[in-house]
Amino acid sequence: AQSVTQLDSQVPVFEEAPVELRCNYSSSVSVYLFWYVQYPNQGLQLLLKYLSGSTLVKGINGFEAEFNKSQTSFHLRKPSVHISDTAEYFCAVSDLGAGTASKLTFGTGTRLQVTL
Amino acid sequence: DVKVTQSSRYLVKRTGEKVFLECVQDMDHENMFWYRQDPGLGLRLIYFSYDVKMKEKGDIPEGYSVSREKKERFSLILESASTNQTSMYLCASRSPQGTAYEQYFGPGTRLTVT
Repeated sequence: AQSVTQLDSQVPVFEEAPVELRCNYSSSVSVYLFWYVQYPNQGLQLLLKYLSGSTLVKGINGFEAEFNKSQTSFHLRKPSVHISDTAEYFCAVSDLGAGTASKLTFGTGTRLQVTL
Repeated sequence: DVKVTQSSRYLVKRTGEKVFLECVQDMDHENMFWYRQDPGLGLRLIYFSYDVKMKEKGDIPEGYSVSREKKERFSLILESASTNQTSMYLCASRSPQGTAYEQYFGPGTRLTVT
């Protein structure tokens, strides 16, 4: 079984400041990792994903994440946030190699609140 | 552009009613999923479907059933709605081909059971 922990339920930050949203996972097999964003009253949108290769992954809207296998982490970062980044962010893990049976396990989400 | 649509954005039903939530995708995806989203709990998988007429229970299937008669449509059924099923319901689809593995989500249906 796999699990995802997002340690921070809320992260307040001022506009133009850097931000890091933390994600740790637990799995007995190799995994794929994802970050999704949910803007108010909308569904989830993929920000970025790690499947293999370079451990630094770049996504949309200036976000990036780094896969750290030894620490089982996949933290999301942005060097300078904007008001429009205010949203809820979900980390998710999918077990590798399960083919059609692979499912996503989501963390509980982190609400990023950007203020002036 | 990929698209997953859900039949209603907001729905209010009474306790004991039978409720149908519809999801349609236009990407010819084999896999479809139903989640519920609750504050502090994230997304929890209710049911998923590998392909037409195939379904499998997720983590919280109690009180729900599903139907997948056509590839593009996946329905979630609440046989007898209860107040603890008040939640946001999200549908998603995915193609198991290639290496993408990402799921595409609909806008969600906020269901209130009174």
